[in-house]
Amino acid sequence: GAVVSQHPSRVICKSGTSVKIECRSLDFQATTMFWYRQFPKQSLMLMATSNEGSKATYEQGVEKDKFLINHASLTLSTLTVTSAHPEDSSFYICSASFEQFFGPGTRLTVL
Amino acid sequence: DAKTTQPPSMDCAEGRAANLPCNHSTISGNEYVYWYRQIHSQGPQYIIHGLKNNETNEMASLIITEDRKSSTLILPHATLRDTAVYYCIVSGMQGSARQLTFGSGTQLTVLP
Repeated sequence: GAVVSQHPSRVICKSGTSVKIECRSLDFQATTMFWYRQFPKQSLMLMATSNEGSKATYEQGVEKDKFLINHASLTLSTLTVTSAHPEDSSFYICSASFEQFFGPGTRLTVL
Repeated sequence: DAKTTQPPSMDCAEGRAANLPCNHSTISGNEYVYWYRQIHSQGPQYIIHGLKNNETNEMASLIITEDRKSSTLILPHATLRDTAVYYCIVSGMQGSARQLTFGSGTQLTVLP
């Protein structure tokens, strides 16, 4: 089946720094990728839809200037959490392709 | 997308069939029923999906009622590794991609 990877799998950073998370489709091209966030003991919440070659579409309540999304190629989308704060600590998950295959997730901890 | 209702938790004995119900009474004609599961601290794993006919693959079977207002995911011989949160999602197309809205899911615990 289709494989989606994420890097890094885990990151710890200081408050105020920016963190970039990569989402790659390894054996297929993905025109659309989705970014989700999951807080402990909660379900996945869609943050934004990333479209190759165009601007991402953000869900209500998600700050586009804080969560920068770049989908520069058909196999790579990046999510940058700018000026991260402890409340941004979460599990970030991407998915790609029509069948919505998910990446393994990135655990972000902001100190 | 139509909303779904699932029991918050279920237990199942190892080796027995696990039957996970889902209600989606407001499903529309072009919406599919998708099932995913999420093992702790991992990304969701696709299991199966269907429109109106029953479906079966190597992981599970999906039984959709004739009126499509509910469905059941069946894991025929549950193992301890099937312990996970199972999400039932109803989804239609939005543009060129299928957007998924996750509910609370069902925590399935397979007991030895």
